[in-house]
Amino acid sequence: DAKTTQPNSMESNEEEPVHLPCNHSTISGTDYIHWYRQLPSQGPEYVIHGLTSNVNNRMASLAIAEDRKSSTLILHRATLRDAAVYYCILRDRDGGSQGNLIFGKGTKLSVKP
Amino acid sequence: NAGVMQNPRHLVRRRGQEARLRCSPMKGHSHVYWYRQLPEEGLKFMVYLQKENIIDESGMPKERFSAEFPKEGPSILRIQQVVRGDSAAYFCASSFSYIVDEQFFGPGTRLTVL
Repeated sequence: DAKTTQPNSMESNEEEPVHLPCNHSTISGTDYIHWYRQLPSQGPEYVIHGLTSNVNNRMASLAIAEDRKSSTLILHRATLRDAAVYYCILRDRDGGSQGNLIFGKGTKLSVKP
Repeated sequence: NAGVMQNPRHLVRRRGQEARLRCSPMKGHSHVYWYRQLPEEGLKFMVYLQKENIIDESGMPKERFSAEFPKEGPSILRIQQVVRGDSAAYFCASSFSYIVDEQFFGPGTRLTVL
């Protein structure tokens, strides 16, 4: 699987938008971009995924660069509950990695009240 | 619709004992994955199973660790003769299929080896 690069940590104020960047310059044409997050002392949870077009769901938005070499997870209004480690993960559409997720170090997001 | 269930949530073992970790996937999911998270580290893939089959065990330590997902019942991760280095959080995830589908994670089992 192609590698992703994320900042180690970011800070945000409550109720402000947060933009979490991810670089994946070696992404292949069949790689989906997935985001998961892990709240303290919990298992990871799925946030969003996309291939080429920007995506929105109730949790977040995913903005994908036109060349697909980078993407940004957008939390529109951060809450204290959004404090977590956010992981950007590439997954081959054809299941080339047999399905397992490859977690990097992720970005630790702190949210200040 | 219950999520992925893991038990026990906390497990304490002495060196040399066996640890058995159980995972019940979400209803309708036949793909199960086990991950390990050592203290202050990220999650590492261990093994991927479908009903009665091990599909990928490339992340499993060569000795003492085994996993199964029988036709009936939960998936089991078994660690024989535990050592202090096995102390970690073990997470199970399940999915409907392995291609692209999101994985749903359980709350984890925190193993402490004394």
